[in-house]
Amino acid sequence: DQQVKQNSPSLSVQEGRISILNCDYTNSMFDYFLWYKKYPAEGPTFLISISSIKDKNEDGRFTVFLNKSAKHLSLHIVPSQPGDSAVYFCAASAGYGGATNKLIFGTGTLLAVQP
Amino acid sequence: DAGVIQSPRHEVTEMGQEVTLRCKPISGHDYLFWYRQTMMRGLELLIYFNNNVPIDDSGMPEDRFSAKMPNASFSTLKIQPSEPRDSAVYFCASSLQGFVEAFFGQGTRLTVV
Repeated sequence: DQQVKQNSPSLSVQEGRISILNCDYTNSMFDYFLWYKKYPAEGPTFLISISSIKDKNEDGRFTVFLNKSAKHLSLHIVPSQPGDSAVYFCAASAGYGGATNKLIFGTGTLLAVQP
Repeated sequence: DAGVIQSPRHEVTEMGQEVTLRCKPISGHDYLFWYRQTMMRGLELLIYFNNNVPIDDSGMPEDRFSAKMPNASFSTLKIQPSEPRDSAVYFCASSLQGFVEAFFGQGTRLTVV
């Protein structure tokens, strides 16, 4: 059973508009959440994270929102750029770091930003 | 540092053959992870090592899968015998401190026909 779900396999957005990628989780023990970005033929790279003590974390054009009651998080990219076209993975962990706090990944959402 | 290096980048093999995937972690990293990416299940952790010792292999799907880390700079993931359902992209990652700060290699795309 998928503990981290990304229900949209793909998303297409016009350059300059907002991209919103969604992620749902089922395990209430998760308290640290991350987004990874993956270009074709490359490995995933860390993008942004959020702890459960916050409901928003912002880094430049990227903002992650966490709604703990709904067990939902989202990644907003504003404005979207063609270079943002990639697969985005949501991941969750019960605790930060350490040797035992495994990352559970979603299935990914392919974002295509049209020029 | 060149990052995490995986080889080969692509592997096509016939069902029943043995496949060995290789990984060189970033120098100084104590943790090494093997992940598998599929469309249906996303990125799944197969096994991870700390200081060359396997810590958790509960993600290894079957006994056909095995992994070793004979030294701090090298790890292998072996599938014997391979099956078409093993077709996926396999990633190796390494880190200084656990899961959340891991750096991923470029992956090995395995196709079993």
